[in-house]
Amino acid sequence: SQTIHQWPATLVQPVGSPLSLECTVEGTSNPNLYWYRQAAGRGLQLLFYSVGIGQISSEVPQNLSASRPQDRQFILSSKKLLLSDSGFYLCAWSVSRGPSFGSGTRLTVV
Amino acid sequence: AQSVTQLDSQVPVFEEAPVELRCNYSSSVSVYLFWYVQYPNQGLQLLLKYLSGSTLVKGINGFEAEFNKSQTSFHLRKPSVHISDTAEYFCAVSFSGGYQKVTFGTGTKLQVIP
Repeated sequence: SQTIHQWPATLVQPVGSPLSLECTVEGTSNPNLYWYRQAAGRGLQLLFYSVGIGQISSEVPQNLSASRPQDRQFILSSKKLLLSDSGFYLCAWSVSRGPSFGSGTRLTVV
Repeated sequence: AQSVTQLDSQVPVFEEAPVELRCNYSSSVSVYLFWYVQYPNQGLQLLLKYLSGSTLVKGINGFEAEFNKSQTSFHLRKPSVHISDTAEYFCAVSFSGGYQKVTFGTGTKLQVIP
């Protein structure tokens, strides 16, 4: 069966520090991969999606970037975090159904 | 512009009462529709989806939803709610007719009152 792993579960980072969140999927090939951010009271915002290795589509101009170095690995990065980057980050994958989500990373920028 | 609207940010309902959570979308093309549930500090779990065929879709935990193309709606219903249904519910739409891009509504918090 397919599983998605996302880590870390929680993260506290100072303003200006770098960020790297990793997501991996098991049990499937060539999935579509997504990064969403959920800010308090604002629903889910699609940040990036990828339909294949090295193919990244950005939905919102921002301080973040994404990469897909391997078929089932999706990384969310930032060179310098801002306070406004705080939120709940969710990785998701899909092949033939709606996105399936990881357990999320709670990022607090202080 | 294509969008997803969840009309109610919070819905309080007594235990064992019926509930309907509303979702409307704007699109001139065919869509796939989804409902997800999120418990506190957790990821989202798929409740049900509409891809094609019967407009009444049954999902997990006793939920169902009906696709109404003329009203561009996909409302979620449950005939009798339990305390354990207290969570946030998200409607989502794939406008491309595929899975590359899925847009979510802002969510509805369902509060079940004992």
